[in-house]
Amino acid sequence: KQEVTQIPAALSVPEGENLVLNCSFTDSAIYNLQWFRQDPGKGLTSLLLIQSSQREQTSGRLNASLDKSSGRSTLYIAASQPGDSATYLCAVYILETSGSRLTFGEGTQLTVNP
Amino acid sequence: DAGVIQSPRHEVTEMGQEVTLRCKLISGHNSLFWYRQTMMRGLELLIYFNNNVPIDDSGMPEDRFSAKMPNASFSTLKIQPSEPRDSAVYFCASSLDSPSTDTQYFGPGTRLTVL
Repeated sequence: KQEVTQIPAALSVPEGENLVLNCSFTDSAIYNLQWFRQDPGKGLTSLLLIQSSQREQTSGRLNASLDKSSGRSTLYIAASQPGDSATYLCAVYILETSGSRLTFGEGTQLTVNP
Repeated sequence: DAGVIQSPRHEVTEMGQEVTLRCKLISGHNSLFWYRQTMMRGLELLIYFNNNVPIDDSGMPEDRFSAKMPNASFSTLKIQPSEPRDSAVYFCASSLDSPSTDTQYFGPGTRLTVL
């Protein structure tokens, strides 16, 4: 059964700092990996989707990498801003015998202090 | 497009009552997903439809839960009878077609409290 782990569970940084969020998964047979952002009391917003054949995706100040062989992904946020404060979740899409599904990590709660 | 629309946003009910959650997909999307989020278990997939057909319902907790897509743009998730352990935030998401290649877009969620 696929397990997704995110480290750290919480992170607090001063504004302007570059930071890295980590995601690891146990089964490398994934179709894609997505990073989402969730604000308190809100739904999830997709940030980046990396297909299994890709190694990284970039959007603005965000860069996500994928290393399937080691079962790891990182989300790099450059020049962090208070508006980046949210919970960041990674999820891997896999095909299991019981069906296909997006399996989520527990998230990293990020606080960017002004 | 207004994105994925869910209603109600909040629902408080008593144990044993029937609860119906509603979801409208993004226009043109063919895949729909129902998720449940709790502090204890995180975010879990309940059921996934593609072109109105249930593809994976292995996450549906038990027979008390049922989901339907009466048409290509609308879905309901019904809990009957509801129990306190069903209290959670229920999210609906849609994607253009295959979730193996397409981004999932989430609705704002329905916060369900069963007393």
